[in-house]
Amino acid sequence: DQQVKQNSPSLSVQEGRISILNCDYTNSMFDYFLWYKKYPAEGPTFLISISSIKDKNEDGRFTVFLNKSAKHLSLHIVPSQPGDSAVYFCAASPWNSGNTPLVFGKGTRLSVIA
Amino acid sequence: DSGVTQTPKHLITATGQRVTLRCSPRSGDLSVYWYQQSLDQGLQFLIQYYNGEERAKGNILERFSAQQFPDLHSELNLSSLELGDSALYFCASSSSAGSDTGELFFGEGSRLTVL
Repeated sequence: DQQVKQNSPSLSVQEGRISILNCDYTNSMFDYFLWYKKYPAEGPTFLISISSIKDKNEDGRFTVFLNKSAKHLSLHIVPSQPGDSAVYFCAASPWNSGNTPLVFGKGTRLSVIA
Repeated sequence: DSGVTQTPKHLITATGQRVTLRCSPRSGDLSVYWYQQSLDQGLQFLIQYYNGEERAKGNILERFSAQQFPDLHSELNLSSLELGDSALYFCASSSSAGSDTGELFFGEGSRLTVL
């Protein structure tokens, strides 16, 4: 049973345009969400996070939006750059979970075309 | 460079064999996590250790075991290997006991191929 779902395995976007990556979750106990980025032959690296007390968190070109009622979050990248081409993983956890590690989605492969 | 070191980077072995994957966490991190990424799958949590003790267990098979040593490095032992065990195995570390800060630091992974 997938608790964190990324339904789009891949996404292709033109350079300079907006990339929108989506993530849905089923566990209502989740209240802290993260995005990780993974390049080939490297481990995932932390990108941005959001807690459930917020509905938006912004860091430069990256913005994460959270819709708790819909159990949905999205990552917006504006403007998209070729260097953003990577696999993006959505992850979730109960805040101050103590012993509960992050639950990851299957990832979305973003290709930014120059 | 995340500061997390995993060895070996690549490993090819046969069914029925046993392998050991090693992880050195970031300096000062007490928690080590093991994740498995199979083809077309996300990162599946296997097991977590904190300061030498098992903290949480995920979908880890009985054929798999792990431990964390006093110097905080960790080993994941995979035995009676099957074709389906072929995957990328990631180790991650964090400074806290849980993932309450959210951020895990991942190694580059160990790619296991079982033939």
